[in-house]
Amino acid sequence: ETGVTQSPTHLIKTRGQQVTLRCSSQSGHNTVSWYQQALGQGPQFIFQYYREEENGRGNFPPRFSGLQFPNYSSELNVNALELDDSALYLCASSLKAGRNYGYTFGSGTRLTVV
Amino acid sequence: AQRVTQPEKLLSVFKGAPVELKCNYSYSGSPELFWYVQYSRQRLQLLLRHISRESIKGFTADLNKGETSFHLKKPFAQEEDSAMYYCALSGQQGGSEKLVFGKGTKLTVNP
Repeated sequence: ETGVTQSPTHLIKTRGQQVTLRCSSQSGHNTVSWYQQALGQGPQFIFQYYREEENGRGNFPPRFSGLQFPNYSSELNVNALELDDSALYLCASSLKAGRNYGYTFGSGTRLTVV
Repeated sequence: AQRVTQPEKLLSVFKGAPVELKCNYSYSGSPELFWYVQYSRQRLQLLLRHISRESIKGFTADLNKGETSFHLKKPFAQEEDSAMYYCALSGQQGGSEKLVFGKGTKLTVNP
C-alpha cells in the first residue's frame, strides 16, 4: 500500500507566475484535500475533491483551483502568485469524504514566491 | 465559527515528567477532535482521535464538552515524544468535511 506522494518537494516562483502542484492519493482513497501551511501556523483548508468534483472550499480566492483525475490523483493550481502564497502545501487523502474516515497526509510541497 | 486554540506555542519538559498539551475548540455541533503529530523531517500523522478513545504511544486525550477542551496528556514523557503537535477539529465546510487545525505546540522533552 503506497502512501500520499506530492511533487515537487520544493519550488521557487516569481510573483505573478502560475504554479501547479501534484498529489497522488493513497491506494484505495477517493477523496483528496489540500491545505496551506504558512510558517508558524497550522494547516488551513483550501478545498477538497471527491470523485473528480470540488466538494467544499475554504476561504481562498478563485486563483486557487484544482482538479482530480479518474485515478483520484489531484492537482492544485495557483495563478498570479503573491508573496503571501509562500507556504507548505499539503495534500491529504481519505477513503471517503466524511468525518469518520482518517486522513493520510503527504510530505508537502514547499513553495517560495520571490 | 469553527476554531481550535492551542495556547502554548512551545512546551518544554524533562524526561519522565508528565506532559499536557492544551487544546480548546469552538464548534456549534457535535465535534470530532483529533491530535496530529509531526516528528522532525516527517509528515503529519494522526496520533489519536477522541471517538476511538484509545491510547497511542502512552498519550490519551479526553473530550470535555463542558469546557470545550481536548487536552493531550502523557504521564511520563520520553525524548522521542519531542515533536510538533496539532489539535484538529472535523467540521463542515460547504458540504464537505474538513479539518480545522490549531497553530500547534512544539514539545521538547529534555534528557
